[in-house]
Amino acid sequence: GQQVMQIPQYQHVQEGEDFTTYCNSSTTLSNIQWYKQRPGGHPVFLIQLVKSGEVKKQKRLTFQFGEAKKNSSLHITATQTTDVGTYFCAGPRDSNYQLIWGAGTKLIIKP
Amino acid sequence: EAGVVQSPRYKIIEKKQPVAFWCNPISGHNTLYWYRQNLGQGPELLIRYENEEAVDDSQLPKDRFSAERLKGVDSTLKIQPAELGDSAVYLCASSLSRDGDTQYFGPGTRLTVL
Repeated sequence: GQQVMQIPQYQHVQEGEDFTTYCNSSTTLSNIQWYKQRPGGHPVFLIQLVKSGEVKKQKRLTFQFGEAKKNSSLHITATQTTDVGTYFCAGPRDSNYQLIWGAGTKLIIKP
Repeated sequence: EAGVVQSPRYKIIEKKQPVAFWCNPISGHNTLYWYRQNLGQGPELLIRYENEEAVDDSQLPKDRFSAERLKGVDSTLKIQPAELGDSAVYLCASSLSRDGDTQYFGPGTRLTVL
């Protein structure tokens, strides 16, 4: 069935280092959404990408949607402690528009 | 604008007991979702409503779980009887429509079954 894979599962970085998470879909997506979940919190919408090859920036966060609309990435420049959490990608299923979620990438800042 | 409201925030029960969760979505949002999230995993959809109609409940364990969304606004999710494996966070989300729209999540109910 249709799947969304996300890697890595965890990423440990020193504060100030960059962070990247990758999302790959088994099928073309009409859009892809990114959510952030802080420890103990609930998923919060970050952004939606719709167009092939789209790149969007939010301060230190850069989101990309692949040309084939099957993959996406989130890159954080110069991580800060406020970036800690799990980042999820999600895309609509072809058949019923239900969001299919990646397993998430947990960003951990090394002490 | 108020966000998605859920109650209770925490619930501890013994196995075989019933439990119910309540959700009030963002005003005007026709689509309502119930998810279950286990520790370290992504949200798993249990049921999706379009107004008062359950349009996707394929992942809902129907032997013990039930849900309703009377009048197409707020919703309740019930487990009866609860099992140890039901311990998780139950998240409610809403969106304007079903078409892959942004979902807005409530704070969730953390259920512990002893």
